[in-house]
Amino acid sequence: GENVEQHPSTLSVQEGDSAVIKCTYSDSASNYFPWYKQELGKRPQLIIDIRSNVGEKKDQRIAVTLNKTAKHFSLHITETQPEDSAVYFCASDYKLSFGAGTTVTVRA
Amino acid sequence: DAGITQSPRYKITETGRQVTLMCHQTWSHSYMFWYRQDLGHGLRLIYYSAAADITDKGEVPDGYVVSRSKTENFPLTLESATRSQTSVYFCASSDGQGAIYGYTFGSGTRLTVV
Repeated sequence: GENVEQHPSTLSVQEGDSAVIKCTYSDSASNYFPWYKQELGKRPQLIIDIRSNVGEKKDQRIAVTLNKTAKHFSLHITETQPEDSAVYFCASDYKLSFGAGTTVTVRA
Repeated sequence: DAGITQSPRYKITETGRQVTLMCHQTWSHSYMFWYRQDLGHGLRLIYYSAAADITDKGEVPDGYVVSRSKTENFPLTLESATRSQTSVYFCASSDGQGAIYGYTFGSGTRLTVV
Protein backbone atom coordinates (compact mmCIF):
# COMPACT_ATOMS: atom_id res chain seq x y z
CA GLY A 1 0.00 0.00 0.00
CA GLU A 2 0.90 3.66 -0.05
CA ASN A 3 3.55 4.74 2.42
CA VAL A 4 1.96 8.16 2.79
CA GLU A 5 -1.78 8.81 2.90
CA GLN A 6 -3.11 12.35 2.74
CA HIS A 7 -6.50 13.77 3.72
CA PRO A 8 -8.65 15.48 2.71
CA SER A 9 -8.33 15.40 -1.07
CA THR A 10 -10.09 18.75 -1.36
CA LEU A 11 -10.52 21.57 1.14
CA SER A 12 -12.49 24.78 0.77
CA VAL A 13 -12.06 27.49 3.38
CA GLN A 14 -13.22 31.06 3.84
CA GLU A 15 -10.51 33.68 3.54
CA GLY A 16 -9.06 34.34 6.97
CA ASP A 17 -9.93 30.91 8.33
CA SER A 18 -7.45 28.12 9.02
CA ALA A 19 -6.74 25.08 6.89
CA VAL A 20 -5.40 21.76 8.14
CA ILE A 21 -4.13 18.89 6.03
CA LYS A 22 -3.19 15.56 7.60
CA CYS A 23 -0.86 12.82 6.45
CA THR A 24 -0.14 9.42 7.88
CA TYR A 25 2.81 7.22 7.11
CA SER A 26 3.29 3.53 7.52
CA ASP A 27 6.98 2.98 8.14
CA SER A 28 8.79 4.02 11.28
CA ALA A 29 11.98 4.36 9.23
CA SER A 30 10.65 7.70 7.95
CA ASN A 31 12.65 10.60 9.38
CA TYR A 32 11.99 13.61 7.19
CA PHE A 33 8.63 15.07 6.18
CA PRO A 34 8.47 17.93 3.69
CA TRP A 35 5.43 19.77 2.36
CA TYR A 36 5.16 21.07 -1.18
CA LYS A 37 2.82 23.61 -2.73
CA GLN A 38 1.91 23.39 -6.39
CA GLU A 39 0.07 26.24 -8.05
CA LEU A 40 -1.89 25.55 -11.20
CA GLY A 41 0.38 24.68 -14.10
CA LYS A 42 3.55 25.13 -12.08
CA ARG A 43 6.13 22.93 -10.41
CA PRO A 44 5.83 21.76 -6.78
CA GLN A 45 7.82 23.93 -4.41
CA LEU A 46 9.01 23.16 -0.92
CA ILE A 47 7.24 25.32 1.66
CA ILE A 48 8.16 23.74 4.98
CA ASP A 49 9.67 20.55 6.36
CA ILE A 50 10.17 18.77 9.65
CA ARG A 51 12.56 16.14 10.92
CA SER A 52 11.65 13.29 13.22
CA ASN A 53 13.43 14.79 16.23
CA VAL A 54 11.18 17.85 16.18
CA GLY A 55 7.49 18.01 17.14
CA GLU A 56 6.52 21.31 15.56
CA LYS A 57 7.92 23.91 13.20
CA LYS A 58 6.51 27.29 12.20
CA ASP A 59 7.17 29.72 9.39
CA GLN A 60 4.93 32.77 9.47
CA ARG A 61 1.37 31.54 8.71
CA ILE A 62 2.44 27.96 8.08
CA ALA A 63 3.19 25.30 10.67
CA VAL A 64 3.81 21.58 10.60
CA THR A 65 3.32 19.19 13.50
CA LEU A 66 4.60 15.65 13.81
CA ASN A 67 3.36 12.83 16.03
CA LYS A 68 5.84 9.99 15.68
CA THR A 69 3.94 7.66 17.97
CA ALA A 70 0.80 7.92 15.88
CA LYS A 71 2.80 8.21 12.62
CA HIS A 72 1.07 11.29 11.38
CA PHE A 73 1.99 14.85 10.54
CA SER A 74 -0.10 17.86 9.64
CA LEU A 75 0.16 21.15 7.78
CA HIS A 76 -1.59 24.14 9.35
CA ILE A 77 -2.22 27.34 7.41
CA THR A 78 -3.60 30.22 9.45
CA GLU A 79 -5.28 33.40 8.22
CA THR A 80 -5.69 31.92 4.75
CA GLN A 81 -5.41 34.21 1.74
CA PRO A 82 -6.43 33.73 -1.90
CA GLU A 83 -2.80 33.06 -2.86
CA ASP A 84 -2.86 30.00 -0.62
CA SER A 85 -5.13 28.30 -3.16
CA ALA A 86 -3.07 25.44 -4.60
CA VAL A 87 -2.45 21.73 -4.37
CA TYR A 88 -0.44 20.71 -1.31
CA PHE A 89 1.58 17.50 -1.09
CA CYS A 90 3.09 15.86 1.93
CA ALA A 91 6.03 13.51 1.53
CA SER A 92 8.30 11.16 3.41
CA ASP A 93 11.95 10.30 2.92
CA TYR A 94 11.18 6.59 3.25
CA LYS A 95 10.81 5.28 -0.28
CA LEU A 96 10.76 8.93 -1.37
CA SER A 97 6.97 8.86 -1.48
CA PHE A 98 4.39 11.62 -1.78
CA GLY A 99 0.80 11.82 -0.68
CA ALA A 100 -1.92 12.10 -3.33
CA GLY A 101 -2.35 15.82 -2.74
CA THR A 102 -4.94 18.21 -1.27
CA THR A 103 -6.55 20.86 -3.43
CA VAL A 104 -7.08 23.91 -1.24
CA THR A 105 -9.47 26.62 -2.36
CA VAL A 106 -9.67 29.85 -0.40
CA ARG A 107 -13.01 31.61 -0.91
CA ALA A 108 -12.95 35.39 -0.88
CA ASP B 1 16.60 30.54 -13.59
CA ALA B 2 15.74 27.59 -11.36
CA GLY B 3 18.96 25.70 -12.17
CA ILE B 4 17.08 22.62 -13.25
CA THR B 5 15.57 22.46 -16.69
CA GLN B 6 13.45 19.92 -18.47
CA SER B 7 12.86 19.51 -22.16
CA PRO B 8 10.63 19.41 -24.00
CA ARG B 9 7.82 21.15 -22.10
CA TYR B 10 5.20 19.42 -24.23
CA LYS B 11 5.41 16.26 -26.30
CA ILE B 12 2.90 14.26 -28.30
CA THR B 13 3.99 10.84 -29.46
CA GLU B 14 2.43 7.73 -30.89
CA THR B 15 1.98 4.41 -29.20
CA GLY B 16 5.03 2.22 -29.62
CA ARG B 17 7.50 5.01 -30.26
CA GLN B 18 10.57 5.65 -28.16
CA VAL B 19 10.73 9.04 -26.51
CA THR B 20 13.34 10.62 -24.25
CA LEU B 21 12.68 13.34 -21.72
CA MET B 22 15.68 15.43 -20.76
CA CYS B 23 16.66 16.84 -17.38
CA HIS B 24 19.64 19.06 -16.69
CA GLN B 25 20.75 20.69 -13.44
CA THR B 26 23.53 23.20 -12.85
CA TRP B 27 24.05 22.81 -9.09
CA SER B 28 26.08 19.58 -9.15
CA HIS B 29 23.47 18.01 -6.90
CA SER B 30 24.24 14.36 -6.30
CA TYR B 31 20.63 13.14 -6.24
CA MET B 32 18.24 13.33 -9.16
CA PHE B 33 14.74 11.94 -9.49
CA TRP B 34 11.96 11.34 -11.98
CA TYR B 35 8.33 11.49 -10.91
CA ARG B 36 5.10 11.23 -12.83
CA GLN B 37 2.02 13.16 -11.77
CA ASP B 38 -1.46 11.85 -12.43
CA LEU B 39 -4.79 12.95 -11.00
CA GLY B 40 -5.62 11.00 -7.87
CA HIS B 41 -2.10 9.59 -7.52
CA GLY B 42 -0.04 12.61 -6.65
CA LEU B 43 3.62 12.25 -7.48
CA ARG B 44 4.95 8.74 -8.00
CA LEU B 45 8.64 7.99 -8.16
CA ILE B 46 9.83 6.31 -11.36
CA TYR B 47 13.60 6.21 -10.92
CA TYR B 48 16.23 8.03 -8.95
CA SER B 49 19.98 8.38 -8.97
CA ALA B 50 22.33 8.97 -6.07
CA ALA B 51 25.32 9.84 -8.25
CA ALA B 52 26.67 9.40 -11.75
CA ASP B 53 26.34 5.78 -12.89
CA ILE B 54 24.15 4.90 -9.89
CA THR B 55 20.43 4.50 -10.50
CA ASP B 56 17.61 2.72 -8.70
CA LYS B 57 13.99 1.91 -9.27
CA GLY B 58 11.14 3.73 -7.63
CA GLU B 59 7.50 2.83 -7.25
CA VAL B 60 6.55 2.70 -10.97
CA PRO B 61 9.64 1.88 -13.09
CA ASP B 62 8.09 -0.48 -15.66
CA GLY B 63 8.38 0.78 -19.23
CA TYR B 64 11.04 3.37 -18.38
CA VAL B 65 14.81 3.45 -18.66
CA VAL B 66 17.23 5.97 -17.18
CA SER B 67 20.91 6.68 -17.38
CA ARG B 68 23.27 9.06 -15.63
CA SER B 69 26.62 9.26 -17.33
CA LYS B 70 27.17 12.83 -16.10
CA THR B 71 26.15 14.34 -12.77
CA GLU B 72 24.19 17.15 -14.40
CA ASN B 73 22.02 15.07 -16.74
CA PHE B 74 19.38 12.46 -16.02
CA PRO B 75 17.37 11.51 -19.12
CA LEU B 76 14.25 9.36 -18.92
CA THR B 77 13.42 7.12 -21.88
CA LEU B 78 10.13 5.46 -22.65
CA GLU B 79 11.24 2.54 -24.77
CA SER B 80 7.84 1.83 -26.34
CA ALA B 81 5.29 4.45 -25.30
CA THR B 82 1.83 3.36 -24.17
CA ARG B 83 -1.29 5.45 -23.55
CA SER B 84 -1.01 4.75 -19.82
CA GLN B 85 2.23 6.73 -19.86
CA THR B 86 0.37 9.91 -20.73
CA SER B 87 1.24 12.08 -17.76
CA VAL B 88 3.14 15.09 -16.51
CA TYR B 89 6.73 14.17 -15.74
CA PHE B 90 8.78 16.06 -13.21
CA CYS B 91 12.49 15.83 -12.73
CA ALA B 92 13.96 16.93 -9.38
CA SER B 93 17.35 17.24 -7.77
CA SER B 94 18.57 17.33 -4.19
CA ASP B 95 21.76 18.46 -2.55
CA GLY B 96 22.18 15.03 -1.04
CA GLN B 97 22.20 15.89 2.65
CA GLY B 98 19.28 13.54 2.70
CA ALA B 99 17.93 11.84 -0.37
CA ILE B 100 14.72 13.81 -0.28
CA TYR B 101 15.95 16.93 1.49
CA GLY B 102 15.52 20.19 -0.36
CA TYR B 103 14.00 18.87 -3.57
CA THR B 104 13.90 21.36 -6.43
CA PHE B 105 11.63 20.38 -9.27
CA GLY B 106 11.92 21.20 -12.94
CA SER B 107 9.03 22.80 -14.79
CA GLY B 108 7.71 19.46 -15.98
CA THR B 109 7.08 17.78 -19.31
CA ARG B 110 3.52 17.10 -20.36
CA LEU B 111 3.58 13.93 -22.43
CA THR B 112 0.62 12.72 -24.43
CA VAL B 113 0.69 9.28 -26.03
CA VAL B 114 -1.88 8.85 -28.80
